[in-house]
Amino acid sequence: GAVVSQHPSRVICKSGTSVKIECRSLDFQATTMFWYRQFPKKSLMLMATSNEGSKATYEQGVEKDKFLINHASLTLSTLTVTSAHPEDSSFYICSAKEASNYGYTFGSGTRLTVV
Amino acid sequence: AQSVTQLGSHVSVSEGALVLLRCNYSSSVPPYLFWYVQYPNQGLQLLLKYTTGATLVKGINGFEAEFKKSETSFHLTKPSAHMSDAAEYFCAVVGGGGADGLTFGKGTHLIIQP
Repeated sequence: GAVVSQHPSRVICKSGTSVKIECRSLDFQATTMFWYRQFPKKSLMLMATSNEGSKATYEQGVEKDKFLINHASLTLSTLTVTSAHPEDSSFYICSAKEASNYGYTFGSGTRLTVV
Repeated sequence: AQSVTQLGSHVSVSEGALVLLRCNYSSSVPPYLFWYVQYPNQGLQLLLKYTTGATLVKGINGFEAEFKKSETSFHLTKPSAHMSDAAEYFCAVVGGGGADGLTFGKGTHLIIQP
């Protein structure tokens, strides 16, 4: 089946630094990838939708300058949390959608802790 | 806009008993519906999905769900609960946010009593 690899699984960074999270579709081409944020014991909140070769579409209330998304190829999307602050600490999950059907495959998530 | 409501943030059943997790949706167009399971500190694993065709959908690990348009429901069931089923379960629908992104319910934490 379809596999999405997300790295790193955990990262701790200092306040004010930037962190990059990678999301790769391993055995299929993902024309569309999604980034979600999940707070403790809460549901997933869609942050942005990225299409290969074009600018990401951000959901209302998500700061595009803080959460930079790049989808340079059909198998790779990256999320960069810039100038991270403790309130950015969260669980971030990516998802890739197969072009041929409504197959949404999720990465294993990244636990970001900003200290 | 589409939305999903999961009734019951926590559901507790005995091992071997029937599991029923409720999901109701709101959609202005024919919905595509999904159930995912999440174990602690992990991503989401697809249990099953409904797009078109047969309204009774069978998924992995013995789970199934029935799409009922008249009730706008997509409840998840499993005849006999196993300890390994203890996890967080999310119902989701396409739309409501990004053009093609999933909109999730708030999740139901399933507890299995020995």
